[in-house]
Amino acid sequence: NAGVTQTPKFQVLKTGQSMTLQCAQDMNHNSMYWYRQDPGMGLRLIYYSASEGTTDKGEVPNGYNVSRLNKREFSLRLESAAPSQTSVYFCASSELGQGAGGYTFGSGTRLTVV
Amino acid sequence: QKEVEQNSGPLSVPEGAIASLNCTYSDRGSQSFFWYRQYSGKSPELIMSIYSNGDKEDGRFTAQLNKASQYVSLLIRDSQPSDSATYLCAVNRLGGSQGNLIFGKGTKLSVKP
Repeated sequence: NAGVTQTPKFQVLKTGQSMTLQCAQDMNHNSMYWYRQDPGMGLRLIYYSASEGTTDKGEVPNGYNVSRLNKREFSLRLESAAPSQTSVYFCASSELGQGAGGYTFGSGTRLTVV
Repeated sequence: QKEVEQNSGPLSVPEGAIASLNCTYSDRGSQSFFWYRQYSGKSPELIMSIYSNGDKEDGRFTAQLNKASQYVSLLIRDSQPSDSATYLCAVNRLGGSQGNLIFGKGTKLSVKP
């Protein structure tokens, strides 16, 4: 099984450009999450989707939008990239609600905004 | 008070020693506790989960939970250089803007040959 697949793995954007980070899971998990990880800041939740058809803001949602396209796919869009959005982005999924079973993470996307 | 706290380290232990990693949490309603390992440049990988007070052993890893004191720890016996990584503690919490799983910032472990 592939688990959680993220694309692209690396991306360089110019300030003001837009892009969409793709995430897909093949484990039939209900919940999906987008995190960013910055040095000294730990993992910070951007948006999450508890189930197909629902999305909710996390700790740091400003500058991002998400789409839960179906049960498998959860995308993260940057409409107008800013240097402050330079980070490593992780998608994760979980089978059980309320964080009971832990999360499975994708391999990450390293984004640089210049 | 931060919701999940870990000593950032680095924690340095010699090969073959026991590495002890600690984590405290603030929400008394938390029921699920996890340890993730993250190698440099890689994604977090779940290595242990624990749900009830006491010890849970899996190979060289032992997770310990004390809900009354609100701490969870991870012991790594016979530490190997390949154990060198950052270890993230995660605790579940119902609701809130941080979602259902709250992560500590991690403890960096270095195992010296």
